[in-house]
Amino acid sequence: EVQLVESGGGLVQPGGSLRLSCEASGFIFSNYWMHWVRQVPGKGPVWVSRINSDGFSTKYADSVKGRFTISRDNAKNTLYLLMDSLRADDTAVYYCARGTVSGSVDCWGQGTLVTVSS
Amino acid sequence: DIQMTQSPSSLSASVGDRVTITCRASQSISTSLNWYQQKPGKAPNLLIYAAYSLQTGVPSRFSGSGSGTDFTLTISSLQPEDFATYYCQQSYATLPYTFGQGTKLEIK
Repeated sequence: EVQLVESGGGLVQPGGSLRLSCEASGFIFSNYWMHWVRQVPGKGPVWVSRINSDGFSTKYADSVKGRFTISRDNAKNTLYLLMDSLRADDTAVYYCARGTVSGSVDCWGQGTLVTVSS
Repeated sequence: DIQMTQSPSSLSASVGDRVTITCRASQSISTSLNWYQQKPGKAPNLLIYAAYSLQTGVPSRFSGSGSGTDFTLTISSLQPEDFATYYCQQSYATLPYTFGQGTKLEIK
């Protein structure tokens, strides 16, 4: 069974940092591009970042560029998102997601809640 | 960035009804359009990719159509488990991939 399990969310003060992890199982992780997508409850999903299969190409939404870093460890089947200089508007549920050749996302984790508040 | 606009924002319907949700892109995206279903407290679930291709395991009552800027998701005969929020997402050319604001489908 294809599975993505996020961890690392929580409450952090503005300006703080947090690292999210996403452990993949049930598929060949190193073959897939991976994404982070976030969603404020009651709002639509928002794409945050993407990394290619070997980890050497990354892209970011303008709203997080320079503050967030996506990475992966294919030996550990794990995707990461390092979030620095966090702001209140970064508060959301963060999903790890598997990309497809069509650009769709065909598998999502359960999500991890990040709350930025003093 | 390409903007995606869904209509309606909410919709009330009954079991057995035929329902259509529309998604419009701010520029042509060919057939690079995907549809997701999301239930409360759960992650989105891919229904349709590349405008009209049914994701494996998704019931055939779901169908997608359109190209260019205008797209539709149709549910041919609503079932109780279909009451949820639906999102379109464009995956045309370069990032960022953008989502619509959602259509909440409620029981009449």
